[in-house]
Amino acid sequence: EVQLVESGGGLVKPGGSLRLSCAASGFTFSTYNMNWVRQAPGKGLEWVSFINDGGNFITYRESVKGRFTISRDNTKNSLYLQMNSLRADDTALYYCARDLSTVTRAFDFWGQGTLVTVSS
Amino acid sequence: EIVLTQSPATLSLSPGERVTLSCRASQSVGNFLTWFQQKPGQAPRLLIYDASYRATGIPARFSGSGSGTDFTLTISSLEPEDFAVYYCQQRSDWPLTFGGGTKVDIK
Repeated sequence: EVQLVESGGGLVKPGGSLRLSCAASGFTFSTYNMNWVRQAPGKGLEWVSFINDGGNFITYRESVKGRFTISRDNTKNSLYLQMNSLRADDTALYYCARDLSTVTRAFDFWGQGTLVTVSS
Repeated sequence: EIVLTQSPATLSLSPGERVTLSCRASQSVGNFLTWFQQKPGQAPRLLIYDASYRATGIPARFSGSGSGTDFTLTISSLEPEDFAVYYCQQRSDWPLTFGGGTKVDIK
């Protein structure tokens, strides 16, 4: 059974940092592209970042470029999101999501999310 | 960035009714359009990818159509478990973007 379990969220002050993790199981993690997607409370979905299966292609939404860093460790079946210089508008539930295939960027499995709250 | 506009924002319907949800893109996305369903307190669930392909385990009452800038998600006969928010999403270009969602609630 495919499972994605996020962790690392919490309450942080503006300007602070957090590192999110996503533990994957039930599939060959190293052969799948991965994403982070967020959802502010009561709002819609917003894609944040993508990393390909080998970790050598990465992209971000403009509002997080230079502040967030996506990475993965295929030996540990884990995805990460290092978030620095956090702002109030980064407050959201952060999901990791798997791409359906290497050529189809449709998110076929999602974790349950980890909540990040940025507030003084 | 490609903007996706979903309409209507809310639909109030009864079980058994046919539902048609719209998603319009600000520029062509080819057939690279995905539909998700999200229920309160749950992660989104993949329904349709590449405009018309049902994901694994998705009932046949869900269907997708369209190409270019205009797309439709149809639910042929609403079941009680279908009351939820539906989002479209494009993968034609970075950044990947979502529509604002359509809430289907019980009349």
